[in-house]
Amino acid sequence: SQTIHQWPATLVQPVGSPLSLECTVEGTSNPNLYWYRQAAGRGLQLLFYSVGIGQISSEVPQNLSASRPQDRQFILSSKKLLLSDSGFYLCAWILASSRWVSPLHFGNGTRLTVT
Amino acid sequence: SQQGEEDPQALSIQEGENATMNCSYKTSINNLQWYRQNSGRGLVHLILIRSNEREKHSGRLRVTLDTSKKSSSLLITASRAADTASYFCATVFSGSARQLTFGSGTQLTVLP
Repeated sequence: SQTIHQWPATLVQPVGSPLSLECTVEGTSNPNLYWYRQAAGRGLQLLFYSVGIGQISSEVPQNLSASRPQDRQFILSSKKLLLSDSGFYLCAWILASSRWVSPLHFGNGTRLTVT
Repeated sequence: SQQGEEDPQALSIQEGENATMNCSYKTSINNLQWYRQNSGRGLVHLILIRSNEREKHSGRLRVTLDTSKKSSSLLITASRAADTASYFCATVFSGSARQLTFGSGTQLTVLP
């Protein structure tokens, strides 16, 4: 069965420090991968998606970047965190071949607090 | 914005009552999905309804879709305290093959 791992679960970082959040998927090949951010009590904002190794699309201009060094690994990074980067970050995957008639599978999220 | 919008933003009911949440969207869709999120956790998929379907059931869940009104509703029957969570609708637009667009959610509280 497929599983998605996201870590760390919580993170407190000072302004100006770097960030690296990692997400890995097991039990499937060539998934589409997604990073979402969720502000408190709000919906999900799509940050990045990837349809293959090294292929990253950014949905909004921001202080963050994403990379996909391996088929089932998706990394969210920042060189210098801002206070506004605080939030709940969710990684998700879907079968690329599903044509969106199968669900999006989410990790358990990372709560990032920038102080 | 193309995203779906849920209504109401918050709903509080007694255990055993039915809960109805609505979602509206603006452009043509391929399908619409409902997700649930427990506090501090990731989202879990509940049900998917395609644009050519009008109603779908899964256990105590009933979803309807009215493409002429660009709206959907999620009904949870005989609610339980464990149903307390945020519920989101997400739409796959006909012109987009790569993403779901989420609404801001309905916070459901079921009181024991």
